[in-house]
Amino acid sequence: AQSVTQLGSHVSVSEGALVLLRCNYSSSVPPYLFWYVQYPNQGLQLLLKYTSAATLVKGINGFEAEFKKSETSFHLTKPSAHMSDAAEYFCAVTRSGAGSYQLTFGKGTKLSVIP
Amino acid sequence: NAGVTQTPKFQVLKTGQSMTLQCAQDMNHEYMSWYRQDPGMGLRLIHYSVGAGITDQGEVPNGYNVSRSTTEDFPLRLLSAAPSQTSVYFCASSLRDGTSGANVLTFGAGSRLTVL
Repeated sequence: AQSVTQLGSHVSVSEGALVLLRCNYSSSVPPYLFWYVQYPNQGLQLLLKYTSAATLVKGINGFEAEFKKSETSFHLTKPSAHMSDAAEYFCAVTRSGAGSYQLTFGKGTKLSVIP
Repeated sequence: NAGVTQTPKFQVLKTGQSMTLQCAQDMNHEYMSWYRQDPGMGLRLIHYSVGAGITDQGEVPNGYNVSRSTTEDFPLRLLSAAPSQTSVYFCASSLRDGTSGANVLTFGAGSRLTVL
């Protein structure tokens, strides 16, 4: 079984400030982890993924995330928030390897950027 | 490439009516899935398919049917709509990453369904 907990359903940051969105996972086997972003009235698009190579993963739009096995975390960060980052962000987990197709999503964190 | 195409974008039904949400992908992806998104609930898997002729249930399958007669299409059927099925529905497809084997989803734009 696997699960994802995203701490904070809403996060507000000032433009130019650090963005930190928290994700903790639970998995009985080594996981693959993902962050997706959803802009208003759109589908989800992949920001970045961890697939057991480097633990620090860089994604699109300046975002990155670090896999920390000891903390079962995969927090998403961006050094300087931009107005265009306002969206909802979802963390997701699946089993590693070729055996699993099912992703389990967190409940999402809505990011607001204050000018 | 069109990617993943969902139709209709919006639909209003009355309780007890039936309808089909269409999903088509032109990327030759083996895996397709349907999720529903409700406020504060994230995305929950309804049904998925790992190839033509093969389907399986996800987390919330009750009230929904699927079939996969071709690689490209994966329709979601509501046989007797209920207000609890008011939601935004997303279809996704994927091909396994060749190096890691990870299943990386490509999502459609969504279908917003209201059941009165």
